[in-house]
Amino acid sequence: GENVGLHLPTLSVQEGDNSIINCAYSNSASDYFIWYKQESGKGPQFIIDIRSNMDKRQGQRVTVLLNKTVKHLSLQIAATQPGDSAVYFCAERHSGYALNFGKGTSLLVTP
Amino acid sequence: GAGVSQSPSNKVTEKGKDVELRCDPISGHTALYWYRQSLGQGLEFLIYFQGNSAPDKSGLPSDRFSAERTGGSVSTLTIQRTQQEDSAVYLCASSTGGGTEAFFGQGTRLTVV
Repeated sequence: GENVGLHLPTLSVQEGDNSIINCAYSNSASDYFIWYKQESGKGPQFIIDIRSNMDKRQGQRVTVLLNKTVKHLSLQIAATQPGDSAVYFCAERHSGYALNFGKGTSLLVTP
Repeated sequence: GAGVSQSPSNKVTEKGKDVELRCDPISGHTALYWYRQSLGQGLEFLIYFQGNSAPDKSGLPSDRFSAERTGGSVSTLTIQRTQQEDSAVYLCASSTGGGTEAFFGQGTRLTVV
């Protein structure tokens, strides 16, 4: 299948700082992207999504940026909190196909 | 609750035995996905059901794996003659359509001994 990968497997940030998690994808036909958060022992939880006709989308403390030119996706978390510690996955799909997930980035928030 | 429900939550089986994993999607969701997640790894796509269309089985790793979705709702993933490398967490998700967010269940942890 198409490759969806993450630049950094682990990320450690201090509480209160902003976090940026990056993701690269290879399928230029991808039209929908999602970020998921997965805590230990739980299924992935939806954070935010973005469609290919957008460059930026904001949620509560989170922002997703999409750069279709370089096929890059990022998740920004403002004022990172200990509860944000988890593994974050990006996923992409193109019309008619299932979501394709990357390997994940482990975010560790230190006090 | 109204979320995706998977059963059992844990399953230990002997090598060579068959197992069935069940997924109850959110009511009204037409799309249903199965993924497999090995320890510390990402989600490996297995199979995708969308409405009445033929399922996308391109992710099934071998012919020992099969899945069905009865009545457009409950889905069962069957693994025949289980092998130790089948040990993983099997995750099910559903969505209102292919182009919308998918909601995941808690997964079934399968251990083949």
